[in-house]
Amino acid sequence: DIVMTQSPDSLAVSLGERATINCKSSQSVLYSSNNKNYLAWYQQKPGQPPKLLIYWASTRESGVPDRFSGSGSGTDFTLTISSLQAEDVAAYYCQQYYSSPRVTFGPGTKVDIK
Amino acid sequence: QVQLQQSGPGLVKPSQTLSLTCVISGDSVSSNSAAWNWIRQSPSRGLEWLGRTYYRSKWYNDYALSVKSRMTINPDTSKNQLSLQLNSVTPEDTAVYYCARDRTNTGVFDYWGQGTLVTVSS
Repeated sequence: DIVMTQSPDSLAVSLGERATINCKSSQSVLYSSNNKNYLAWYQQKPGQPPKLLIYWASTRESGVPDRFSGSGSGTDFTLTISSLQAEDVAAYYCQQYYSSPRVTFGPGTKVDIK
Repeated sequence: QVQLQQSGPGLVKPSQTLSLTCVISGDSVSSNSAAWNWIRQSPSRGLEWLGRTYYRSKWYNDYALSVKSRMTINPDTSKNQLSLQLNSVTPEDTAVYYCARDRTNTGVFDYWGQGTLVTVSS
């Protein structure tokens, strides 16, 4: 299995400030034939299912605010919230789908307000 | 708008069978592009993909190696739903279980059910 790790485990950011979450895969999730990174990001609020934010490492899902952005390639990826809003308090998970259907998720990063 | 509505018991005894149902609205379980998945989440194991079913002229199922010998996913076209059966459960199977749609069968989950907390305990 491809193992996903995330850092930090949690972070607290002031409203309007930038939040950055890192994700690393145990092997490259870049598929050379189409030059796409098989990496997605999800947001999960307490008592709710995960919500898809980003796929192909940097493509925002329809309806996701543009303050959310994804970057990276190969084994190292970043989710950035450019200006943290109160409604962004949640856990965030990266997920690789390079080995689909046997996809794997990171352990999550909790984002809170400082 | 796609909606996935889950149902099933919240408490299962050890060694018995866990059974859950996911009713689909706004899409079809026999879609020629989507796949329908079960995923669970627990504090000890995090988010864990369990299995999927999809239709491409015939039905296909895939399962995680960790549950392959104990798990069955069945589509029901008459009710537009899918079901999960997990046999011989242990307390390790205690988790929130989700059904989820993968709209392009690539491994990205765009719609999720509300989740069902299943506790395995006597």
